[in-house]
Amino acid sequence: EDQVTQSPEALRLQEGESSSLNCSYTVSGLRGLFWYRQDPGKGPEFLFTLYSAGEEKEKERLKATLTKKESFLHITAPKPEDSATYLCAVGTLGRLYFGRGTQLTVWP
Amino acid sequence: GAVVSQHPSWVICKSGTSVKIECRSLDFQATTMFWYRQFPKQSLMLMATSNEGSKATYEQGVEKDKFLINHASLTLSTLTVTSAHPEDSSFYICSARVVRGYDGYTFGSGTRLTVV
Repeated sequence: EDQVTQSPEALRLQEGESSSLNCSYTVSGLRGLFWYRQDPGKGPEFLFTLYSAGEEKEKERLKATLTKKESFLHITAPKPEDSATYLCAVGTLGRLYFGRGTQLTVWP
Repeated sequence: GAVVSQHPSWVICKSGTSVKIECRSLDFQATTMFWYRQFPKQSLMLMATSNEGSKATYEQGVEKDKFLINHASLTLSTLTVTSAHPEDSSFYICSARVVRGYDGYTFGSGTRLTVV
């Protein structure tokens, strides 16, 4: 049973075209919802940690939000350098459960 | 801050040999480190959790005799793939929990293992 589901699996955007990535989860005892960026052949790079429903965090063109059952990563006016795989993970019982990620491609 | 250094970045080894991967926390003490395995276009799968000075806890289905984990100090954890076979070829990533500066998990840059 999947505990963390990300959608879409892949997303192609034109530069400047805003969109959102979704992460839904079914875990008990949530101890944080984490977003990471992963470039090919690299380890995940930390973006945000969210803890409670209604919480929002922003960093440059990215904004993460959290509800009781899902999180969104909003990308505003993306640039080609934002192309990467975005991973969502939920923390519980001292470990992380990862989704499969959304592969984002931003073309000029 | 909160940097985890992982070496080597890539390694090619012959079938039947052993390979050691190192993971170091450079500017913080990592009581707990995690080892993941990632297949192409797949999620990160937790292999084991290592605590400094004690035995690692392995996830179900992970062979502890094949994937030896040592966490002898607060800044170093190692993963040794013993008697490697082609099916062990994968991308291995270490991670550590950070509670200073930001509350999250920081990751190494990963090791691409190819067994020929």
